[in-house]
Amino acid sequence: SQQGEEDPQALSIQEGENATMNCSYKTSINNLQWYRQNSGRGLVHLILIRSNEREKHSGRLRVTLDTSKKSSSLLITASRAADTASYFCATPQTGANNLFFGTGTRLTVIP
Amino acid sequence: DVKVTQSSRYLVKRTGEKVFLECVQDMDHENMFWYRQDPGLGLRLIYFSYDVKMKEKGDIPEGYSVSREKKERFSLILESASTNQTSMYLCASTKSISYNEQFFGPGTRLTVL
Repeated sequence: SQQGEEDPQALSIQEGENATMNCSYKTSINNLQWYRQNSGRGLVHLILIRSNEREKHSGRLRVTLDTSKKSSSLLITASRAADTASYFCATPQTGANNLFFGTGTRLTVIP
Repeated sequence: DVKVTQSSRYLVKRTGEKVFLECVQDMDHENMFWYRQDPGLGLRLIYFSYDVKMKEKGDIPEGYSVSREKKERFSLILESASTNQTSMYLCASTKSISYNEQFFGPGTRLTVL
């Protein structure tokens, strides 16, 4: 019943470059969330975008949402070594209290 | 700051043992969740609870049970641990359903020998 799928599965970039991760989902949603997970730790919420929003910014993060294509992207600008982590998108399950998480994109930022 | 704590960071148990994983949150959240995370499979929901003494099965409840006797505490129980339950277990909580973020604990890496 997993809904979100991130692309690519893994991404390796040089420090200072931008990183773009994509998420596709299957059903209608009222919001989409992005989380980060450092190796061996819990997930940390990064940003939430509502279905009536097309773009949202938070610091070096930019999230877009295209409900017609059922897709979202997360852009991290001017990446740093500390951005090395796995990034997950999550969407609420319709009529339920839980989120569906994708399998994640593993980002490595090389100093 | 919201804080979600889990009783152990690492746990090693033997096949057949009864295992308790505890999760506590300090923000008066109604909803609490247990996930397991395995390579290539992402996070899968085991059980969740939206109120004291209430529980709902997630996607993979087999082999697990839960207990929510107090609002701040949500326990995951492996009645008879098996090697295929070796995994990272993550607890999360949230105030409401759709528009609020989930707050996660640091995770418990369980190894069943």
